[in-house]
Amino acid sequence: GESVGLHLPTLSVQEGDNSIINCAYSNSASDYFIWYKQESGKGPQFIIDIRSNMDKRQGQRVTVLLNKTVKHLSLQIAATQPGDSAVYFCAETGANSKLTFGKGITLSVRP
Amino acid sequence: DTGVSQDPRHKITKRGQNVTFRCDPISEHNRLYWYRQTLGQGPEFLTYFQNEAQLEKSRLLSDRFSAERPKGSFSTLEIQRTEQGDSAMYLCASSLTDTSQYFGPGTRLLVL
Repeated sequence: GESVGLHLPTLSVQEGDNSIINCAYSNSASDYFIWYKQESGKGPQFIIDIRSNMDKRQGQRVTVLLNKTVKHLSLQIAATQPGDSAVYFCAETGANSKLTFGKGITLSVRP
Repeated sequence: DTGVSQDPRHKITKRGQNVTFRCDPISEHNRLYWYRQTLGQGPEFLTYFQNEAQLEKSRLLSDRFSAERPKGSFSTLEIQRTEQGDSAMYLCASSLTDTSQYFGPGTRLLVL
């Protein structure tokens, strides 16, 4: 079936370095993509989104890149901080509005 | 706090009991969603409402589950005759039509 998945289960980075989290999706009908951050015991927190008519969007310290040709989504976090440590999910949706999430990747920031 | 709120935050119940969870969406958000999340997995869609109308239900939503949003504001999710497999985090999210979904803190259910 169609799914959204992440390439790596864990990512460990040094504080201050940039982080890149990758995600592959398979539903070519998806037109809206969102990155969420989830800390232990909390609900997912919206980070940044992008629509299929764009290939890049920037926020505060975060950038999302969308490559529709290879169905690939990435989240870049600049100057990673200890507070960025969490599980990150990519999610996609189409006309029906429901989000389909990947399994999540754990970002661990080393001091 | 103007975010999505959920109550209770934690619920422990015995198998066979009924439980009900409440979600208060962000004010003026017309869409409200319920998801379920088990440990180590991403949230899975259960159902969603546009105003008071329930527009879609996942096959995960067995006949023991029922959700309502009677006045188009808060919503309740009821699970009847709970089973151990129902143990999970139940998440609520809200949005305006075709915009980002914002999640609440979730209700963690443990069925003994």
